[in-house]
Amino acid sequence: AQKVTQAQTEISVVEKEDVTLDCVYETRDTTYYLFWYKQPPSGELVFLIRRNSFDEQNEISGRYSWNFQKSTSSFNFTITASQVVDSAVYFCALSEASGYALNFGKGTSLLVTP
Amino acid sequence: DSGVTQTPKHLITATGQRVTLRCSPRSGDLSVYWYQQSLDQGLQFLIQYYNGEERAKGNILERFSAQQFPDLHSELNLSSLELGDSALYFCASSVEGMSTDTQYFGPGTRLTVL
Repeated sequence: AQKVTQAQTEISVVEKEDVTLDCVYETRDTTYYLFWYKQPPSGELVFLIRRNSFDEQNEISGRYSWNFQKSTSSFNFTITASQVVDSAVYFCALSEASGYALNFGKGTSLLVTP
Repeated sequence: DSGVTQTPKHLITATGQRVTLRCSPRSGDLSVYWYQQSLDQGLQFLIQYYNGEERAKGNILERFSAQQFPDLHSELNLSSLELGDSALYFCASSVEGMSTDTQYFGPGTRLTVL
């Protein structure tokens, strides 16, 4: 069963628009960790954020913000005032306390046009 | 730059051949992970090593093997290559190899099997 679902396959926005990338996860562990990674066209995977299951505080970092809601098993990512450089594939991932590996979603491809 | 290095960047080979992918973790990290990214399967965990010992195994084929050396670099060996093995292979590293760690990824090795 897929543990991380990113229902949006592709999103296209115009520069300066706000955009939210959805991530829904599934786990039986009470302790787990959620991550977002960015994969720009150059191909590398860049770590963006980690959130622990026991910390439901939302986080803001510049134009990026993350909304973690345990009640709906979601960990959504919002980019405010998007820029062309934000164009990339974004992956949500889950790490369970009972395991070691990252379980990745299929990714959301974001295209920001001028 | 995550501090994780992978060589080579690109590899083109023929079916039936054997190749070796190399990874050096970030300074201070004891654990190395290997992931495969393909269009149909997405990002999949292959195997993890911690301080030279295998710690966890994912969807790794029997034709694939890996090891971590005393200097902590790791090699992923792929043999009897098939067309379907064409993919981007990532190495990641973390401090202690636990689910609490953040995994930092290298730039990847793009393998093309012709």
